[in-house]
Amino acid sequence: DAGVIQSPRHEVTEMGQEVTLRCKPISGHNSLFWYRQTMMRGLELLIYFNNNVPIDDSGMPEDRFSAKMPNASFSTLKIQPSEPRDSAVYFCASTADSTEQFFGPGTRLTVL
Amino acid sequence: AQSVTQLGSHVSVSEGALVLLRCNYSSSVPPYLFWYVQYPNQGLQLLLKYTTGATLVKGINGFEAEFKKSETSFHLTKPSAHMSDAAEYFCAVSDPGAGSYQLTFGKGTKLSVIP
Repeated sequence: DAGVIQSPRHEVTEMGQEVTLRCKPISGHNSLFWYRQTMMRGLELLIYFNNNVPIDDSGMPEDRFSAKMPNASFSTLKIQPSEPRDSAVYFCASTADSTEQFFGPGTRLTVL
Repeated sequence: AQSVTQLGSHVSVSEGALVLLRCNYSSSVPPYLFWYVQYPNQGLQLLLKYTTGATLVKGINGFEAEFKKSETSFHLTKPSAHMSDAAEYFCAVSDPGAGSYQLTFGKGTKLSVIP
């Protein structure tokens, strides 16, 4: 299995632009998580899907952030408009109703 | 609410020395506990986990951790450090009763191994 796939691996954009991060979970996994990692705040859970349905989005920082999971094999995290303070590494993880979450390699976002 | 505290944001050990990374948790229910490792520019990889049963759990790369309920601790150890162990280590907790598998992470401990 290829593992969790995230794209792009690196994204540099200017303040005010729309950013879309993509994630393909491991086939057969039915739960998907989006995390943000920064030096100041560590790893934060942004949103969690189960069977393509958003279950808990209490970690989404503000309305500029949105996430979708249109099918079991694809999810997006969108930031519109982006701000410099959104610069971070964004991770996607998936699990098949087990205790282990499998993480993707992350997307390093830089907002200038 | 659950929380995780990792003592020491940065730990340095000599190659061949004991590795001890500390983790204390707060949880209102018996938790599931995890240690993840992150190598530079990579995602997180599970080292080991405690769910139920034996409180001493063994993981990959020679690491082990012991769940001590009375101390609310889940410290990570390895008898002899190797250069390849240099990475950042994260302790995490989840509530098995919640059914959501959500993880709460500590801030991480960066391990340096000195030749």
